Amino acid sequence: NAGVTQTPKFRILKIGQSMTLQCTQDMNHNYMYWYRQDPGMGLKLIYYSVGAGITDKGEVPNGYNVSRSTTEDFPLRLELAAPSQTSVYFCASISGTGNTGELFFGEGSRLTVL
Amino acid sequence: SQKIEQNSEALNIQEGKTATLTCNYTNYSPAYLQWYRQDPGRGPVFLLLIRENEKEKRKERLKVTFDTTLKQSLFHITASQPADSATYLCALDEVDSSYKLIFGSGTRLLVRP
Repeated sequence: NAGVTQTPKFRILKIGQSMTLQCTQDMNHNYMYWYRQDPGMGLKLIYYSVGAGITDKGEVPNGYNVSRSTTEDFPLRLELAAPSQTSVYFCASISGTGNTGELFFGEGSRLTVL
Repeated sequence: SQKIEQNSEALNIQEGKTATLTCNYTNYSPAYLQWYRQDPGRGPVFLLLIRENEKEKRKERLKVTFDTTLKQSLFHITASQPADSATYLCALDEVDSSYKLIFGSGTRLLVRP
């Protein structure tokens, strides 16, 4: 039972490079989210999706893009990486049917932009 | 704007004692509140959920209270153990249909043997 799987776990980027953080869940959840967590700070919502083909911005979307072509996958794209994007990124999901919002998180992707 | 506050200072207690963590919020009327545990280098893990019409919820050694008048939740761990050492995050829903959660910055708990 894999749950929410994120790759890569660690990555170092140079300023201006681009990359995609992968997230997949095998629980058939409708709702998926990307958060970032900076040291000593709470989780900030970047983007979210309420189902395949539907995405929306969260609190801190600038510099990121997402897509949701399938129920399982919700990749996060970083274009023109900046040092301010150095953070730990968490993907999460919930089913959205008959529950009240318990999030299942991945183990995180630690990104450093130099 | 909506704001959630948790004590940023670590809570350091002796094994066997009760740990009490606080979550305060402003400009907000959540339908429910959740607590998560986060270990270093790991993703948060759900612990408990309490609804706005519930005063208290228990699960094994954990107890959560929710006072919508004070806009505060208290999270208690009784008979604390060193294995309870972690960061505990409070989260509230955004009261829309997307199940989005707003998180506090968390309080680190250290339980000394």
